[in-house]
Amino acid sequence: KAGVTQTPRYLIKTRGQQVTLSCSPISGHRSVSWYQQTPGQGLQFLFEYFSETQRNKGNFPGRFSGRQFSNSRSEMNVSTLELGDSALYLCASSLSQSEPRYTFGSGTRLTVV
Amino acid sequence: AQSVTQLGSHVSVSEGALVLLRCNYSSSVPPYLFWYVQYPNQGLQLLLKYTSAATLVKGINGFEAEFKKSETSFHLTKPSAHMSDAAEYFCAVSGPGANNLFFGTGTRLTVIP
Repeated sequence: KAGVTQTPRYLIKTRGQQVTLSCSPISGHRSVSWYQQTPGQGLQFLFEYFSETQRNKGNFPGRFSGRQFSNSRSEMNVSTLELGDSALYLCASSLSQSEPRYTFGSGTRLTVV
Repeated sequence: AQSVTQLGSHVSVSEGALVLLRCNYSSSVPPYLFWYVQYPNQGLQLLLKYTSAATLVKGINGFEAEFKKSETSFHLTKPSAHMSDAAEYFCAVSGPGANNLFFGTGTRLTVIP
């Protein structure tokens, strides 16, 4: 059974640009959540999608957005990139809330220069 | 509100010695508790989780954790450290109906040969 797949693994962008990251959950998982990991702030929740609907959102500016498609694949977008957006972005998928088991992908390392 | 506190950002143990990583939680609802491990440039791997069943939870790689409500703790232990256990460990909390994790700041485990 394939795990959570995140693409690309590494990305370098320039300040002011925008970026789109992709996450394919485990087959059958309908919940996808995104986290940002930085040395200073640690692991912080960005947002969570279930059946194409955003159910919860963390405390991030509107430059961070996401969506989920009918096949449960999810994308997150960051517009007008800032140096502080450099981070490891992790995606996790889960089957259900009644038996939570968040499985993480290997992440996308974004560097903003 | 839910949060976890990991005591000790760095822990060093000798190979073969007991591993004890501390985690205390705060939750207004019965918590779900998790321990994840992260190796360099990798995502998060689930070690074990507590979801209100048995208070002593056994995980992968010989790790286990005990949920103690009276102490609001969920400490991670392993009887005998192995060199391959060197990594960063994260405690996280969620709750029934919740759809995201709140992470601690992590504990970096070093194993000394």
